[in-house]
Amino acid sequence: DADVTQTPRNRITKTGKRIMLECSQTKGHDRMYWYRQDPGLGLRLIYYSFDVKDINKGEISDGYSVSRQAQAKFSLSLESAIPNQTALYFCATSDSAGEVHHEQYFGPGTRLTVT
Amino acid sequence: AQTVTQSQPEMSVQEAETVTLSCTYDTSENNYYLFWYKQPPSRQMILVIRQEAYKQQNATENRFSVNFQKAAKSFSLKISDSQLGDTAMYFCAFNNNDMRFGAGTRLTVKP
Repeated sequence: DADVTQTPRNRITKTGKRIMLECSQTKGHDRMYWYRQDPGLGLRLIYYSFDVKDINKGEISDGYSVSRQAQAKFSLSLESAIPNQTALYFCATSDSAGEVHHEQYFGPGTRLTVT
Repeated sequence: AQTVTQSQPEMSVQEAETVTLSCTYDTSENNYYLFWYKQPPSRQMILVIRQEAYKQQNATENRFSVNFQKAAKSFSLKISDSQLGDTAMYFCAFNNNDMRFGAGTRLTVKP
């Protein structure tokens, strides 16, 4: 089984709809992240969480919100989707303990299309 | 804010040859981590190699090695004996609690 899972893997939605992307991990990591990937721009950080009670905005948080329901779960919401939020979304985790705490492990990605 | 620049949007190499992908970054920090990630058509992000800025020795992982020049803020990836399975997008990333990625280089290995 994959260590970091994302649901759904693909989603098409309409402008104005609320949508939630979910991420779960079995790695036991305390830190979790949400990124979006657009062609020619690489990955950009939306939100990150260093533990259950910690939520931080990333580079491009406008139009998004997150919830850290448990150490293993981190969801991303688009309250009112718009077409320029069409992108590939990645969840990632890292472990604050140990030597390689800056290394992040990625889920398989969610392809979101807003029409 | 830290920025990461990959100046080669696309590259190609013949199978079994060697190719080098460039990456430069901008930071005022002294301690940080650098990574190369590979993204094949499956879109999974796969860690290729990491480098800790406090280590002078360049990291090596089998056919993959880096040339880390801290003063020049340069972090290039060398792939030796290229294989067809190396065809992918390659992203350079900088991390000091806030991971920043370059725009990526699309590498095609030709048979």
